[in-house]
Amino acid sequence: KAGVTQTPRYLIKTRGQQVTLSCSPISGHRSVSWYQQTPGQGLQFLFEYFSETQRNKGNFPGRFSGRQFSNSRSEMNVSTLELGDSALYLCASSLESPGEQYFGPGTRLTVT
Amino acid sequence: DAKTTQPPSMDCAEGRAANLPCNHSTISGNEYVYWYRQIHSQGPQYIIHGLKNNETNEMASLIITEDRKSSTLILPHATLRDTAVYYCIVSLRHLFYNTDKLIFGTGTRLQVFP
Repeated sequence: KAGVTQTPRYLIKTRGQQVTLSCSPISGHRSVSWYQQTPGQGLQFLFEYFSETQRNKGNFPGRFSGRQFSNSRSEMNVSTLELGDSALYLCASSLESPGEQYFGPGTRLTVT
Repeated sequence: DAKTTQPPSMDCAEGRAANLPCNHSTISGNEYVYWYRQIHSQGPQYIIHGLKNNETNEMASLIITEDRKSSTLILPHATLRDTAVYYCIVSLRHLFYNTDKLIFGTGTRLQVFP
């Protein structure tokens, strides 16, 4: 079975721009979660989608948004990028519970 | 905030057992203990989870104390490839009714040396 895939793997953007990241979960997994990882804050939960509905959300500003499609693929969008948004963005999918998740390799976003 | 407390770092000799402790004194009755690890620059990898009984799989063993306030992840024969940050997390497990989320703490940085 193919693992979780994320595209692109690396991205460089300028302050003020917006970015869209994509995640394809493991086949059959309906829950997709997104995380931000930075050296200072560690791994932080962004949001979780299940059957195209956002089921849970972390403490991030409204510039961070996401969606899930009927095939469970998910995208997250960050608008008006700030330097502090530079991070590794990780997507994870799960079958039975948000606790047992399978992570993708991440997208490393650099904002200049 | 994370509901778990772990030592920031540990060392282990290659071939020896690595025992990683975790305190979760406020765990509720329906919360599971999950362990993940993250090798540098990769996405976290699920290792094992348990509720109250000890669990073992091909990667590791999980020992949960009777009062469930602490647990230990055991890597029976550590290798250099086990060098990683290990995260202990408590979380609800039910998929369809769950509004819980994974809260990662700072984890334990395990260094396996030759």
